[in-house]
Amino acid sequence: DTGVSQNPRHKITKRGQNVTFRCDPISEHNRLYWYRQTLGQGPEFLTYFQNEAQLEKSRLLSDRFSAERPKGSFSTLEIQRTEQGDSAMYLCASSNEGRRPATQYFGPGTRLTVL
Amino acid sequence: DAKTTQPTSMDCAEGRAANLPCNHSTISGNEYVYWYRQIHSQGPQYIIHGLKNNETNEMASLIITEDRKSSTLILPHATLRDTAVYYCIVRAPGTASKLTFGTGTRLQVTL
Repeated sequence: DTGVSQNPRHKITKRGQNVTFRCDPISEHNRLYWYRQTLGQGPEFLTYFQNEAQLEKSRLLSDRFSAERPKGSFSTLEIQRTEQGDSAMYLCASSNEGRRPATQYFGPGTRLTVL
Repeated sequence: DAKTTQPTSMDCAEGRAANLPCNHSTISGNEYVYWYRQIHSQGPQYIIHGLKNNETNEMASLIITEDRKSSTLILPHATLRDTAVYYCIVRAPGTASKLTFGTGTRLQVTL
């Protein structure tokens, strides 16, 4: 399977704990995006990387959120001191910006539940 | 990126064509129309995109009006597995930007 993969698929945590999610993009894709989706809403953009550089962050990405893509391949999204409002589906997408237009392909998501 | 307007929900009988409309009256000349769908509890799935001409692939057809202010996604023979939320998004090429999702159209395919 050469699609975008995300781990874990589900995460249940207690309020105040830290959690980390991983995204493995399609291998030749140089752009990687993180989105968040709450119940009944469409996905909302959080941040994106061009190779290892984080180029844009949404105002939704509070100080408790940090994302990395250290070698320009996989990416991690960490949430510190989780709050119940962080409960959502976290989606990763990747694209090859060498193509015009570039199409983003999504992974299956990580569903976070904060108790 | 231009804003899009879609009906909240639609029904379609299995085996019939599903025609999902989208209005994007403020679309710019270089903006593409993208369609994604999201089956319950899964990530969004890319369907098709187009600029001016009608497009067809193994999943669907995309019809864009001549003035580009609206488009229609056509699923020629809908099945129960096509039940999903369908998102119409417009986006300019070469922009670094995110996809801006609305609330989409919830398509229910019934027997």
